[in-house]
Amino acid sequence: GAGVSQSPRYKVAKRGQDVALRCDPISGHVSLFWYQQALGQGPEFLTYFQNEAQLDKSGLPSDRFFAERPEGSVSTLKIQRTQQEDSAVYLCASSHAQGGGLNNEQFFGPGTRLTVL
Amino acid sequence: EDQVTQSPEALRLQEGESSSLNCSYTVSGLRGLFWYRQDPGKGPEFLFTLYSAGEEKEKERLKATLTKKESFLHITAPKPEDSATYLCAVQGYGNNRLAFGKGNQVVVIP
Repeated sequence: GAGVSQSPRYKVAKRGQDVALRCDPISGHVSLFWYQQALGQGPEFLTYFQNEAQLDKSGLPSDRFFAERPEGSVSTLKIQRTQQEDSAVYLCASSHAQGGGLNNEQFFGPGTRLTVL
Repeated sequence: EDQVTQSPEALRLQEGESSSLNCSYTVSGLRGLFWYRQDPGKGPEFLFTLYSAGEEKEKERLKATLTKKESFLHITAPKPEDSATYLCAVQGYGNNRLAFGKGNQVVVIP
């Protein structure tokens, strides 16, 4: 496909369960980002990859959150022992740019809506 | 810390009634300011990037402008299909993340 895809689109988890959210970026995009969006709020940064290297994970809210991109393409965001406050939409974005310069627009996927009961 | 404040939070317009959305920002060195459109249940859709004060960009009924402290998104003669939440974000030098505002929720009434 031409755009960023995410799966599953919806996930319901019981409190304490582990979940894994997948992101397929636009082919050839070097940079990949994860954001968390609460209802009625703008997206909040979680973590950033350049190829397979996780260069910034300062936005991850706790050590229960873990992200990986082992081959520099598909990425997985894992949340262990989910809590009710983890309920949100998790957005993935990719960008062609490696860092500075133009063409650093980030293109977003449709998101995964996580509900923790 | 990069910060973005958008106003008004919500706006109801009659079809054809032009208006402007405001995005005020603070950033330690602006690499870029971005406008996105977000429809319910969907991810943000990229609209514009602005890089320096004085820059303007247009797309159909939308026009984005930038100063050193704020950006405006002007909606000219809006149609019902322009109803959406418009998100503003900044990217500062030294990091690659986007810092978003809460958005401007726009409803255009036929």
